[in-house]
Amino acid sequence: DQQVKQNSPSLSVQEGRISILNCDYTNSMFDYFLWYKKYPAEGPTFLISISSIKDKNEDGRFTVFLNKSAKHLSLHIVPSQPGDSAVYFCAASGNQGGKLIFGQGTELSVKP
Amino acid sequence: NAGVMQNPRHLVRRRGQEARLRCSPMKGHSHVYWYRQLPEEGLKFMVYLQKENIIDESGMPKERFSAEFPKEGPSILRIQQVVRGDSAAYFCASSPNRDSSGYGYTFGSGTRLTVV
Repeated sequence: DQQVKQNSPSLSVQEGRISILNCDYTNSMFDYFLWYKKYPAEGPTFLISISSIKDKNEDGRFTVFLNKSAKHLSLHIVPSQPGDSAVYFCAASGNQGGKLIFGQGTELSVKP
Repeated sequence: NAGVMQNPRHLVRRRGQEARLRCSPMKGHSHVYWYRQLPEEGLKFMVYLQKENIIDESGMPKERFSAEFPKEGPSILRIQQVVRGDSAAYFCASSPNRDSSGYGYTFGSGTRLTVV
């Protein structure tokens, strides 16, 4: 039962353009949605999160959009840089805190 | 200001042996979480511990796996009688409280377990 899904295993974008990573979920009780970035042989690094009561959160080049009716969220990176090349994981948490439910990840490649 | 420390980074075990993975949380963090990442998959939650207590073990396999977080020392994930299917990257995370937002929820670099 995959409660958080990232249907695109990979995405390739030109440097300077926008990267859009998508994530769908099935459980309407999730309280927060989070995005993590992961390089090979390293642990995930927290990027940005959004509360379920909001529809947008922005931090520098990163913006997360939440569409609760569609149970869909997306991460926008503008402008994309070669250093953004990594695997991006979407995750969700409940209002009790504790565990995170992760999607399968999307590998982003930003080409110079 | 050290982050979450996991050791060893790489661990090779023969089938049937025991694997012990260690995790020292960030200073001031009393909540520890273990995740497993199988090849080509996302991270799967295993267990959530607070000092001396298991809070949520809903992701732990019923047999051979156990976890502890003693009053003193690191958290330990123990796998008895390892099998090839246990080969994976095991990540530990820590947080200062039971916060859902993700801020402060920090991951270690992982232990890569290979069972031969």
